[in-house]
Amino acid sequence: QLVLTQSPSASAFLGASVKLTCTLSSGHSGNAIAWHQQQPEKGPRFLMRLNTDGSHDKGDAIPDRFSGSRSGAEGYLTISSLQSEDEADYYCQTWNTGTPFGGGTRLTVL
Amino acid sequence: EVQLVESGGGLVKPGGSLRLSCAASGFTFSSSDMNWVRQAPGKGLEWVSTITSSSSNIYYANSVKGRFTISRDNAKNSLFLQMNALRAEDSAVYYCARNFVYWGQGTPVTVSS
Repeated sequence: QLVLTQSPSASAFLGASVKLTCTLSSGHSGNAIAWHQQQPEKGPRFLMRLNTDGSHDKGDAIPDRFSGSRSGAEGYLTISSLQSEDEADYYCQTWNTGTPFGGGTRLTVL
Repeated sequence: EVQLVESGGGLVKPGGSLRLSCAASGFTFSSSDMNWVRQAPGKGLEWVSTITSSSSNIYYANSVKGRFTISRDNAKNSLFLQMNALRAEDSAVYYCARNFVYWGQGTPVTVSS
């Protein structure tokens, strides 16, 4: 069964960078990974899709401060020059029958 | 501009039914796979159901299988979720999403007596 694992929380200082990790369960490293942002009291917003060849496709009007990368079964979301509005929940997701989401990482900007 | 607008949520008693709708615009709806995703209060995102562009393939989460039915009307650019035998644990904000790239604003469903 495909499972995506995320750390429940992360924190970083205003203006700094943070790297969030999403890990695909064994045998599923060939799946693409997407990242979504959910700010407080708002719906999810697609940030980007990370493909296994290392390429990524960003959503509409996603700032350059948001970048992504892959390494095997892991997908990463790096946010640089952190701003207060980046304080949000970040979910990873993959495309699969029963397409699951990770449990989400709550990012606190200090 | 892609727009997805959900409607039909509300308060319903346990065992009751609701039909959610999602009106789509700004893209070729008939060529797009569509999804319902829900989020219970204070919880993460939970995939509910997927329907392919021609309705040829439909998938459900185990938690809703046999109770929920997804459907679409490509002529009217609309997606639906018929929810029957509702339980308290179905209380959530329900989002429609196009291939998980575009999301609606959500419609809240509360199942309570």
